[in-house]
Amino acid sequence: SQKIEQNSEALNIQEGKTATLTCNYTNYSPAYLQWYRQDPGRGPVFLLLIRENEKEKRKERLKVTFDTTLKQSLFHITASQPADSATYLCAPVGSSNTGKLIFGQGTTLQVKP
Amino acid sequence: DTAVSQTPKYLVTQMGNDKSIKCEQNLGHDTMYWYKQDSKKFLKIMFSYNNKELIINETVPNRFSPKSPDKAHLNLHINSLELGDSAVYFCASSDRTSGLYNEQFFGPGTRLTVL
Repeated sequence: SQKIEQNSEALNIQEGKTATLTCNYTNYSPAYLQWYRQDPGRGPVFLLLIRENEKEKRKERLKVTFDTTLKQSLFHITASQPADSATYLCAPVGSSNTGKLIFGQGTTLQVKP
Repeated sequence: DTAVSQTPKYLVTQMGNDKSIKCEQNLGHDTMYWYKQDSKKFLKIMFSYNNKELIINETVPNRFSPKSPDKAHLNLHINSLELGDSAVYFCASSDRTSGLYNEQFFGPGTRLTVL
């Protein structure tokens, strides 16, 4: 079955450093992948979308890569700030017909001042 | 001017009861979703409606019944509530007309606790 894996352990980094979060998927080949941010007690908020023919996508301090050979996406936050502390969810598409997303369990990022 | 709203935000009820959660979006989107987020934070799709037509129906007990009276509303009714139904339920919407892979907008969630 389709499976998404993100680091379940929290990632703790110092303010100003680059945070790198990993998303691995198995048993299918998604045509695109989305990343969301979720704060405690709130719904996920969309951040970036990357297609299989795009190796890299950037938005301000965020960068996403998509390696279809490794079946992996990396999410980078450069010059991290305490306000970046949240849980980040990757969501590759699970069905090209319906656009159904399959979410990973998320990685919690804690940026310390 | 809330984009996707859900009511209630908190729902505490006894086993065996029937309850409903309501969702409304004012974004003009044509597709709406229900997700369940369990205690381990996994966010799983349950249902999706496109223009009031059911397009995603995951393996969900038939005690759960979605209803979409119009494109802007998608309600979730749960019969005979069980302890395992305790979770946070999120409603979301997206615009498929301009792209199948468009971002989804999530509501604030409804925390359901079954005692």
